[in-house]
Amino acid sequence: DIQMTQSPSSLSASVGDRVTITCRASQGLSDYLAWFQQKPGKAPKSLIYAASRLQSGVPSRFSGSGSGTDFTLTISSLQPEDFATYYCQQYNNYPYTFGQGTKLEIK
Amino acid sequence: QVQLQESGPGLVKPSGTLSLTCAVSGGSISSTNWWTWVRQSPGKGLEWIGEIYHTGTTNYNPSLKSRVTISIDKSKNQFFLDLSSMTAADTAMYYCATFRPTGEGFDIWGQGTTVTVSS
Repeated sequence: DIQMTQSPSSLSASVGDRVTITCRASQGLSDYLAWFQQKPGKAPKSLIYAASRLQSGVPSRFSGSGSGTDFTLTISSLQPEDFATYYCQQYNNYPYTFGQGTKLEIK
Repeated sequence: QVQLQESGPGLVKPSGTLSLTCAVSGGSISSTNWWTWVRQSPGKGLEWIGEIYHTGTTNYNPSLKSRVTISIDKSKNQFFLDLSSMTAADTAMYYCATFRPTGEGFDIWGQGTTVTVSS
């Protein structure tokens, strides 16, 4: 299985901050990488697919980059509704696998 | 816009079989999506269980393959998950989701259904 490692595991930040979350894959993925946001008691919400493509309706302050094994999710200016847990996921190889999550908390 | 809704028993006995249904509305299950199951437990995070295409083609996570069956009923616009030999380790929130590998990925999720394995 491809292992997905996110860093950091948790992060404290303030409204207006620029935040970057990193995801590293144990082998190359091309650009078959997605990012999800999850709030307590809710299903994951797709933010980014194909490493850098924004899902319809997702604010443009979210962006994704990377290819191969190293990927990043950037939130350019944190808003109060962005405090949540973020997951990366690879869909290049079966079985599809997720990172362990990054919990973004209010400082 | 496609919407998904999971249903099934919230409680399953150890060694029993879990059977879940995902109802698809707002679109046809015969579209060019794969229909997937994902679960989330505190101990193992998010885990992809498997997927089915409207032709009946399936792919499963090898860690669960011996216990999992995913099926589809195009007449009812539903797909299903059966997971046998349940143990406490299978206690989780179970989600169904759409997957478009050359498109928007896992873009639509159901709200999830909680499954507890207990006698």
